[in-house]
Amino acid sequence: NAGVTQTPKFQVLKTGQSMTLQCAQDMNHNSMYWYRQDPGMGLRLIYYSASEGTTDKGEVPNGYNVSRLNKREFSLRLESAAPSQTSVYFCASSDEGQGYNEQFFGPGTRLTVL
Amino acid sequence: AQTVTQSQPEMSVQEAETVTLSCTYDTSESNYYLFWYKQPPSRQMILVIRQEAYKQQNATENRFSVNFQKAAKSFSLKISDSQLGDTAMYFCAFMKRRSGNTPLVFGKGTRLSVIA
Repeated sequence: NAGVTQTPKFQVLKTGQSMTLQCAQDMNHNSMYWYRQDPGMGLRLIYYSASEGTTDKGEVPNGYNVSRLNKREFSLRLESAAPSQTSVYFCASSDEGQGYNEQFFGPGTRLTVL
Repeated sequence: AQTVTQSQPEMSVQEAETVTLSCTYDTSESNYYLFWYKQPPSRQMILVIRQEAYKQQNATENRFSVNFQKAAKSFSLKISDSQLGDTAMYFCAFMKRRSGNTPLVFGKGTRLSVIA
């Protein structure tokens, strides 16, 4: 099992460009999440999807859109990138099956917006 | 809303010594989970230990143990016999215990350096 995979691993954008970060999991998890990590800020929730077909905003959703394409895939889109969106982005997935909803994280995407 | 506070931005410890990382949280929930995650320089998030709030017994995982004080809303991590591989960022995190899945709320992290 690959677990949670993210593409790309690194990306540099110019202000105003758009891009989509891809995330996929092969653990048959119901829930998926997007977090961003900034220096000194920990990880903050952008959006999450509790199950296929549903999405909800997190703490910092402005400037982002998400799509839960199917149970495996959850993408994050930046329509018009801004320097404030320079960050490391983590995707995660979880399932209630074990009773404590452990979240499994992808390796992250380092995004720089110039 | 839940908040998680880690008051020690950086700490260091000598190899083989013991170190304790602090975490406090604020919530009105009665059922929840608490976690410690490790993030080494590789950037991968690794679960170190978890605690269920309804359990009074403190969780332990090999050299890692927690001191969970529910009334004080405190959840500290003790690392015994520190090793160079323990050098990493450590994040304390909170999760509501609900039917279905809920997101994590993270603290800002503590950077731990283990010195040879």
